[in-house]
Amino acid sequence: DAKTTQPPSMDCAEGRAANLPCNHSTISGNEYVYWYRQIHSQGPQYIIHGLKNNETNEMASLIITEDRKSSTLILPHATLRDTAVYYCIVRVAGAGGNTGKLIFGQGTTLQVKP
Amino acid sequence: EPEVTQTPSHQVTQMGQEVILRCVPISNHLYFYWYRQILGQKVEFLVSFYNNEISEKSEIFDDQFSVERPDGSNFTLKIRSTKLEDSAMYFCASSETGQGFNSPLHFGNGTRLTVT
Repeated sequence: DAKTTQPPSMDCAEGRAANLPCNHSTISGNEYVYWYRQIHSQGPQYIIHGLKNNETNEMASLIITEDRKSSTLILPHATLRDTAVYYCIVRVAGAGGNTGKLIFGQGTTLQVKP
Repeated sequence: EPEVTQTPSHQVTQMGQEVILRCVPISNHLYFYWYRQILGQKVEFLVSFYNNEISEKSEIFDDQFSVERPDGSNFTLKIRSTKLEDSAMYFCASSETGQGFNSPLHFGNGTRLTVT
């Protein structure tokens, strides 16, 4: 499984952009990068995913480097409610019944401060 | 927006008892998953389910556990003879597709299981 590396914690000022990095140097060509977050003990919340191109939705932007070995999740205007654990996950490629489970690591704890 | 719903939100049971955790996945989704999270630890994969059978399971998912889709809407996790170490949050998730990997998993807000 392609492994990801994230900093254990980050701070961000409210209203500023939060840039969360992720390294995935062993990613395979057909593996997607997914980002989820978990607020308190709620269920993981899907944020965004991508394969090669940069992606943007109403929650965030995902920047993937050209060699695909790293990516950055950008929350453009962080609010206090964005305080959460953010998970960068390389989704396991399918083979022989593999149903694309997500394997969660420790993630990055983002603290948004007033 | 459609969401995955789980009941109950909190279940307390005595050691050795059987519990059934219930989930209603998003209606057009075809792949279903159970995860658990012991307090302070990572979210761990338990099992995936497709076409009325288990597709993949982790080492955690031993004979104590079983899953079922008893009708067209519910997806259940049964834990037989519960142990203290089964105390955790249990999350259900569903996805439109599995092997395509271009369809995200959507998670419910979990059932907190407390075994006393």
